[in-house]
Amino acid sequence: GAVVSQHPSRVICKSGTSVKIECRSLDFQATTMFWYRQFPKQSLMLMATSNEGSKATYEQGVEKDKFLINHASLTLSTLTVTSAHPEDSSFYICSARPGSEKLFFGSGTQLSVL
Amino acid sequence: QQQVKQSPQSLIVQKGGISIINCAYENTAFDYFPWYQQFPGKGPALLIAIRPDVSEKKEGRFTISFNKSAKQFSLHIMDSQPGDSATYFCAASRGQAGTALIFGKGTTLSVSS
Repeated sequence: GAVVSQHPSRVICKSGTSVKIECRSLDFQATTMFWYRQFPKQSLMLMATSNEGSKATYEQGVEKDKFLINHASLTLSTLTVTSAHPEDSSFYICSARPGSEKLFFGSGTQLSVL
Repeated sequence: QQQVKQSPQSLIVQKGGISIINCAYENTAFDYFPWYQQFPGKGPALLIAIRPDVSEKKEGRFTISFNKSAKQFSLHIMDSQPGDSATYFCAASRGQAGTALIFGKGTTLSVSS
């Protein structure tokens, strides 16, 4: 299947700092990528849809100024958590869909804000 | 956003038994229904998926049953093994490029040996 690479897998940062997470499609071009957030023992909640060359579309309740998304190329989308606080600690997962069906996920990034 | 309802929340099955997880959806525009398996600390991995033009799809020990009129679909894991112990998510979407999946809340499966 298609490969989606996500980096870093784990990051610990101090409160107030910013953290950037990268998501790459390794063997296909992704016009659209999706960012999900998952709290422990909970489901995956869609945060935003990242569109190459244009602004991301955010789900209701997701602060676009806190979660900055940049999709500068057909193989790379980044999520920057700005001025992170402990409540932002979560598992962030990117995904991409090469065609009209299968959605492939990255391995996730565990963010811990101290 | 919770348009896909999944049950049970947790499930314990004996090795060799059948694990059954159920999902129901609301949006009749959905036409793509995958199941994902997730291990702790990892991203979800696609197991099997179905379109509403068929009522059943089987891949190895995994089978999806689909009931379009009831807007329900289920995952059956035959001959369940300890290695199947994981969290399973059903999902739904319109089967179009650029469309996100909406996930159920997940089922934690434990297969006892």
